[in-house]
Formats: sequence, C-alpha cells, structure tokens
Amino acid sequence: EPEVTQTPSHQVTQMGQEVILRCVPISNHLYFYWYRQILGQKVEFLVSFYNNEISEKSEIFDDQFSVERPDGSNFTLKIRSTKLEDSAMYFCASKNAFATNEKLFFGSGTQLSVL
Amino acid sequence: RKEVEQDPGPFNVPEGATVAFNCTYSNSASQSFFWYRQDCRKEPKLLMSVYSSGNEDGRFTAQLNRASQYISLLIRDSKLSDSATYLCAAHNDYKLSFGAGTTVTVRA
Repeated sequence: EPEVTQTPSHQVTQMGQEVILRCVPISNHLYFYWYRQILGQKVEFLVSFYNNEISEKSEIFDDQFSVERPDGSNFTLKIRSTKLEDSAMYFCASKNAFATNEKLFFGSGTQLSVL
Repeated sequence: RKEVEQDPGPFNVPEGATVAFNCTYSNSASQSFFWYRQDCRKEPKLLMSVYSSGNEDGRFTAQLNRASQYISLLIRDSKLSDSATYLCAAHNDYKLSFGAGTTVTVRA
C-alpha cells in the first residue's frame, strides 16, 4: 500500500526556535492535511491544503504556523517560534479526491519536543 | 460543544466477548463517518467507513443513525489484538474531525 512519509520521526528544539516538519504525501494525492496530538489527548485538525492554498484551518493554526508545498513532492509545516505547548505528535495526511468518503492516509508522525 | 464525542472507556473485556460503543457528532451537515484504530503513539489507521444502512467487515459492525446523530461500533469475538483506542471521525467540507477515542483492552 502507498505511504505518506514524514521526517524526522523525532525533533527536539528549544523554545523560541523555528522548526519545519516535512511530509511526502502519496504521489497522486491532491489534498493534504496536518493534525497534531498532544500526549493523552485527541487527534486535532490543524489545516487542510489544496491547489497551493489553505482550504480550512483551525483555531490552533495561528500566525506562528504556516504550510507550504515547495515542490511537487513535499508538504511542510513550519512553526516560527515554538512554545512548550507545541510539544505533540504531528501527523501529515493526504487523500486523492475531494469526496468526503475518500480514505485519508496518515503518515507515522513526527514527535516534536519543545524544551 | 465538541464536534465528535466518545465514551473514553476503558472497556476491559475477555477474549471472545462482544463489545460495543458509541460516538455522537454535533454537526448535522457532516457527510461521512469513519472508525479509525490507533495503537499507542502510532498514526490513526482506517478501520471502516460507516454507512446509513450499517455495514459489517468481518467481526466489526458499524451503524450510523443520522436522526440521533450517533454512530456505533460493535466488535464480536474479541481478540487480544483488538486492544487499541478506537477513534470516531466525521467529515464535513474540508476536514475530518476526530473524537477523543474509546480505549478497549481485551484480556486473555
């Protein structure tokens, strides 16, 4: 089965530093997502992205966050100035079509630890 | 109000038992519904989609009740490998929203 690939698997950073989390969605997919999961809490939607634009974003996705598809394969999440509360597992996801019953494929996540 | 709510459990059942749990959603415009399985510190994996008529996949049965805005999952003949957190999800427009999960532990 095709896979969504995320790198790195673990990222440790100091508070206030910028981090970029990288994702390679499945090659023919058009819709891209970032989710996060703080330890012990639910999987929370951050942002959806299509045709080089943000389709929807949550309240969590404030000015400190940005997403980019810099080339035909990568999809990145940047946090400009990390805070302690940004520590979480970040999941990238993609799907092929807009249909709401289309399966969402998740990457294995990047565990971000902000010290 | 949370978009998707679940009974967190935990449900602790013996092997071979049947376990069932529900999830409610608040947005009546939600179009599609799913059950995902999440193992500790891993990504969510799709277990099954949920259709209005109800659907079955092996030992798993899912039901959707649009009038009452809830979905259910039933696991028959539980296996040790069914131990996981089960996430309910509702899709509308541009996002899939998850519940906090129901933890199931199957004991030998």
